[in-house]
This record gives sequence, C-alpha cells and structure tokens, in this order.
Amino acid sequence: KQEVTQIPAALSVPEGENLVLNCSFTDSAIYNLQWFRQDPGKGLTSLLLIQSSQREQTSGRLNASLDKSSGRSTLYIAASQPGDSATYLCAVQGGSEKLVFGKGTKLTVNP
Amino acid sequence: EPEVTQTPSHQVTQMGQEVILRCVPISNHLYFYWYRQILGQKVEFLVSFYNNEISEKSEIFDDQFSVERPDGSNFTLKIRSTKLEDSAMYFCASSVLGPEQYFGPGTRLTVT
Repeated sequence: KQEVTQIPAALSVPEGENLVLNCSFTDSAIYNLQWFRQDPGKGLTSLLLIQSSQREQTSGRLNASLDKSSGRSTLYIAASQPGDSATYLCAVQGGSEKLVFGKGTKLTVNP
Repeated sequence: EPEVTQTPSHQVTQMGQEVILRCVPISNHLYFYWYRQILGQKVEFLVSFYNNEISEKSEIFDDQFSVERPDGSNFTLKIRSTKLEDSAMYFCASSVLGPEQYFGPGTRLTVT
C-alpha cells in the first residue's frame, strides 16, 4: 500500500529565503506526482505535475524534482514571499486513477 | 480559466439524514473524482467515475455512498444516512484524459 510522507510538517522562514519541501513515497512504481497548495479552509490548487519519465518541472519561482528510484520528490521555492504561506501537499498516482496524498507541510513566510 | 465548482460550500445536517453534495466539473473533462479530508488528516480518495460508471472506489466508499452524473454537467455525491464521522471537507476533482487532476473548493460537511 502506497504511503506518502512529507517532512517537515511545518516550516517558518523569513521573507526572501529559498526553501525546500520534501516528499517521500514507499512504492516507486508511480505514474506521476503532483504538488498542490492548500490555503486554510480552501480547495487544492495544482502547482506542478511531474510525470514518471521526467526529472523536474518548473513554474515561476517553483521547481519540483522527482527521483522515482529513491521514492523522493522535492519542491523548491525561490525567494519566498508572505503570499506563499499555505500548506503544500504532495500526491502520487500509481497503477490506478486515485491520488495518494501526504499530510502536507504548513509553510509560514514571515515579512 | 475553467474551474471545478462545488455547492454548497458548507452543509450542516443531523445524523441519519441524507445529503447530496454537488459538483460541476470542467466542461471537457471525462474523469471525475470525490475525495475527502477529515480535519487535520490527509486527503483521502473516495471514488472515481468515468463513462457513466464507477471506475474505482476505496474501502471508505461503502453502501452509504453513491455517485451520479444526472445530466451533462453535474456530478453528485450522496450520503444516505450520515454519521458523525462523515464530517469532513469533500472535494470534487476532474481530469481530461491526462493525469493532472483539478480540484474544486470543497464542501464542508458538518454532521451533528
């Protein structure tokens, strides 16, 4: 059974800092990995999708990498801003359609 | 930009009552999903729906749950007899043929 773990559970950084969020999964037989942002009491906004044949994806200040063999992904946020404060969720899709989620990393960027 | 919409945003119901949560997926999408998130816990998959039938369901999705696409635009989740433990945020999602799933804003269900 696929398990997804995100470390750290919470992270507080000063504005402008570069940071890395980690995601690990137990079964490396995945088709893709998706990073989401969730604001308090809100829905999930898709940030980046990495397919299994890819190593990384970039969107603006965000860069996500995938190492399937080691069961790891990282989300790099450059020059963090207070508006980046949210919970970041990692989800993997294996041999079926469902996404399996981690519990998320709650990020606070302090002005 | 097209988006998934859900109604209502918040539903309060008494234990044992039936509830229907509604979703309008993105118009050209073919796959539809329901997930739920109990407060403080992970987002969990409930069911996926394609070509007017359930394609996959989790162990959570028991006989109390059902899904329907009553017309060309709506996708509904029905809980027949709600329990306290059904209190959660319910998310609808959709995807076209590709892997990326797009989520709605959620319906907060409170069972009292």
